[in-house]
Amino acid sequence: DQQVKQNSPSLSVQEGRISILNCDYTNSMFDYFLWYKKYPAEGPTFLISISSIKDKNEDGRFTVFLNKSAKHLSLHIVPSQPGDSAVYFCAASADTGGFKTIFGAGTRLFVKA
Amino acid sequence: ETGVTQTPRHLVMGMTNKKSLKCEQHLGHNAMYWYKQSAKKPLELMFVYNFKEQTENNSVPSRFSPECPNSSHLFLHLHTLQPEDSALYLCASRRRGGMNTGELFFGEGSRLTVL
Repeated sequence: DQQVKQNSPSLSVQEGRISILNCDYTNSMFDYFLWYKKYPAEGPTFLISISSIKDKNEDGRFTVFLNKSAKHLSLHIVPSQPGDSAVYFCAASADTGGFKTIFGAGTRLFVKA
Repeated sequence: ETGVTQTPRHLVMGMTNKKSLKCEQHLGHNAMYWYKQSAKKPLELMFVYNFKEQTENNSVPSRFSPECPNSSHLFLHLHTLQPEDSALYLCASRRRGGMNTGELFFGEGSRLTVL
């Protein structure tokens, strides 16, 4: 049973436009939601997170939105740059029950120059 | 540089070998994790250690044996592995409690190939 789902395996966006990456989750007990970026043969790199008590968090070009009623979060990157091309993982973390962090399958973002 | 160091970065082993992966963090974190990433699959949580105590074993086969001697070191002992165990094994750590954001700090991974 996949608790964190990223239904789009890939996304292609023109440089300068907005990239929107989506994620759905099933467990209401998660305390934090996070986005990670990953290049091949490297570990994931943290991008941005949001607490379950908030609905928006912004850091530079990156904004994460959380819709708890829909159990949905999204990552907006604007403006997109070619260097943003990577695999983006959505993750959900629980501070109880073993401190698990569960990852989605990832979305590969291509930003075309 | 995330502050989490994994060794070796690459490992090739036969199915009858015994080897170990090592992870070290000096970030003062108190929870450590092993994840497995296979081709075209999500990151799979394997084990979680909280203050050296194992708090999660995600139905991992016994041929993978974790060890956490202190809050800075985590090992994954490997024996009689199968070719399908070939993957990138990622270690991560995080801080519990206080002003944490749930962020995991990952090492660069150990690429394991089982022949």
